[in-house]
Amino acid sequence: SYDLTQPPSVSVSPGQSAIIACSGDKLGEKYTAWYQQKPGQSPVMVIYQDGRRPSGIPDRFSGSNSGNTASLTISGTQAMDEAAYYCQAWDTNTVLFGGGTKLTVL
Amino acid sequence: QLHLQESGPGLVKPSETLSLTCTVSGGSISSRNYCWTWIRQPPGKGLEYIGSISDSGATYHNPTLKSRVTMSIDTSENQFSLKLTSVTAAETAVYHCARLTRYTMSSGGYMDVWGKGTTVTVSS
Repeated sequence: SYDLTQPPSVSVSPGQSAIIACSGDKLGEKYTAWYQQKPGQSPVMVIYQDGRRPSGIPDRFSGSNSGNTASLTISGTQAMDEAAYYCQAWDTNTVLFGGGTKLTVL
Repeated sequence: QLHLQESGPGLVKPSETLSLTCTVSGGSISSRNYCWTWIRQPPGKGLEYIGSISDSGATYHNPTLKSRVTMSIDTSENQFSLKLTSVTAAETAVYHCARLTRYTMSSGGYMDVWGKGTTVTVSS
């Protein structure tokens, strides 16, 4: 089966850039999406098709995908960005999620 | 604006069948561009894909759950439903319905609209 691997946690200082990685075999050949989930809330998509932002998502969120790794970058991280982030791809007619990364803004 | 709302029993006994319905409002469920999707999240854990159904009834599944999952769609009522048989306590979770928007007809998609989720507890 195909797996997506994320680090369990990432810490960042306010105003700095946070990078969250998602790895999988030849992931760069698949489209990747990213979701933000705050406690008690439903996930919100922040990136789709590797690097496209839905309307209403701040431009400090960006994404890339190449080789075996997709990345979500949050530039100028704010306290409100503290949340869990999940990567997502599609393989063999099924949706795949990474295990999630808890972003802490210290 | 599209709105999805899950409904169904909040408590299911072990070995019984979990049944949920998602009602879509603010837009039509009939479109080739979308698949209607179920995702769950056990307490304190990550997201788990259950399956999706298109408006034509084509289905996609998590292979680990496929044998116990039945999905259906009612375009006249703008609803889609999930049945999961033989549940165990480990399947206590928040169950979300979501809209999956396709990139193309064969390359998957992304979940751009989510319901608030409904908590289902499996316990005797």
